[in-house]
Amino acid sequence: DAGVIQSPRHEVTEMGQEVTLRCKPISGHNSLFWYRQTMMRGLELLIYFNNNVPIDDSGMPEDRFSAKMPNASFSTLKIQPSEPRDSAVYFCASRPGQGLEKLFFGSGTQLSVL
Amino acid sequence: GDSVTQMEGPVTLSEEAFLTINCTYTATGYPSLFWYVQYPGEGLQLLLKATKADDKGSNKGFEATYRKETTSFHLEKGSVQVSDSAVYFCALDTGTASKLTFGTGTRLQVTL
Repeated sequence: DAGVIQSPRHEVTEMGQEVTLRCKPISGHNSLFWYRQTMMRGLELLIYFNNNVPIDDSGMPEDRFSAKMPNASFSTLKIQPSEPRDSAVYFCASRPGQGLEKLFFGSGTQLSVL
Repeated sequence: GDSVTQMEGPVTLSEEAFLTINCTYTATGYPSLFWYVQYPGEGLQLLLKATKADDKGSNKGFEATYRKETTSFHLEKGSVQVSDSAVYFCALDTGTASKLTFGTGTRLQVTL
């Protein structure tokens, strides 16, 4: 298996632009997570899905952030409009079920908002 | 709520030195505990885990023992290598919310 695949690997955009980050979880995994990593705040859980349904989005910073999972093999995280403080590495992770199993992380998207 | 506290880094060691990275936790219920490692430019990957009190997780020479009485899960390695340079994250999962709670991470730098 190719693992969790994220795209793009790097994104540089200007303030006010829409940004869409993409994730393909490992086939057969039922849970998907979006994390944001910054030097100041460490690793923060933004939202997670189980069987394509959002279970907990309490970590989404504000209405500018939205996430979707239209099917079991694809998820997006959208920021509209983007701001410089959104600059971070965004990770997608998946795991087989809801149990106490390990997460498989993608390589992340490095987002820079100028 | 659930939380994980890790020692602040960076931790700088010479090769073959002994490593300890402290981790303590607060949780409702009986969590499973994890250490994840992040190598430069990569996502996190599971290093080891322990699911109940007094369990010892081990992998690649790293060990951590689940201590319920001190709510700790300290990471240790007897002899570090340059290739161990990475960021190490302690995490817990109570299973009730089906999500991991991570610490802030500790950067380890090993020099020759």
